[in-house]
Amino acid sequence: GESVGLHLPTLSVQEGDNSIINCAYSNSASDYFIWYKQESGKGPQFIIDIRSNMDKRQGQRVTVLLNKTVKHLSLQIAATQPGDSAVYFCAERLNNAGNMLTFGGGTRLMVKP
Amino acid sequence: ETGVTQTPRHLVMGMTNKKSLKCEQHLGHNAMYWYKQSAKKPLELMFVYSLEERVENNSVPSRFSPECPNSSHLFLHLHTLQPEDSALYLCASSQDESYEQFFGPGTRLTVL
Repeated sequence: GESVGLHLPTLSVQEGDNSIINCAYSNSASDYFIWYKQESGKGPQFIIDIRSNMDKRQGQRVTVLLNKTVKHLSLQIAATQPGDSAVYFCAERLNNAGNMLTFGGGTRLMVKP
Repeated sequence: ETGVTQTPRHLVMGMTNKKSLKCEQHLGHNAMYWYKQSAKKPLELMFVYSLEERVENNSVPSRFSPECPNSSHLFLHLHTLQPEDSALYLCASSQDESYEQFFGPGTRLTVL
């Protein structure tokens, strides 16, 4: 289930450091955003979501920030662990588009022990 | 495990073959999806079924034919595929009123 995109941007961090993964979305009418994590051999797994009426949401060790002015989304992972190594995707939902999500290209996170 | 299973996990087929991919969800959801994940593009939505009716066909070629016999099962029938159709095919499910989609592990398809 890995994403084998040859041109995936890669972020390499030291174990214990904080990670920040960025995503630029395309449509100012998008009203809902999700971050997914995809480990090798598995399908994407939900991490955290945020609606457009918020600019920050926190989960366990993860924080999503939304800047609608510049159409930018970021995922912050605190105290990154080797198990966080994966490809991370952001997805956006166009307002009134039902369950239709548009996914970004993904970022590969590599955690060095 | 996410509660969404897919079979087979790997499939190799010739361009003249006919095969089917199967997806089953054990979550009680009423919407199911097929996505294509290839090396050169972001995850692409192919089909959406809600309450067993197709609500989206994202300009997918007719050589891909979905079937949703009930809310727990989704099939993708394949015939006369091309090598460029080689990809990971992912199934997902969700509740209509919830946007969180739960993904299966995918079927790695290789078309020779």
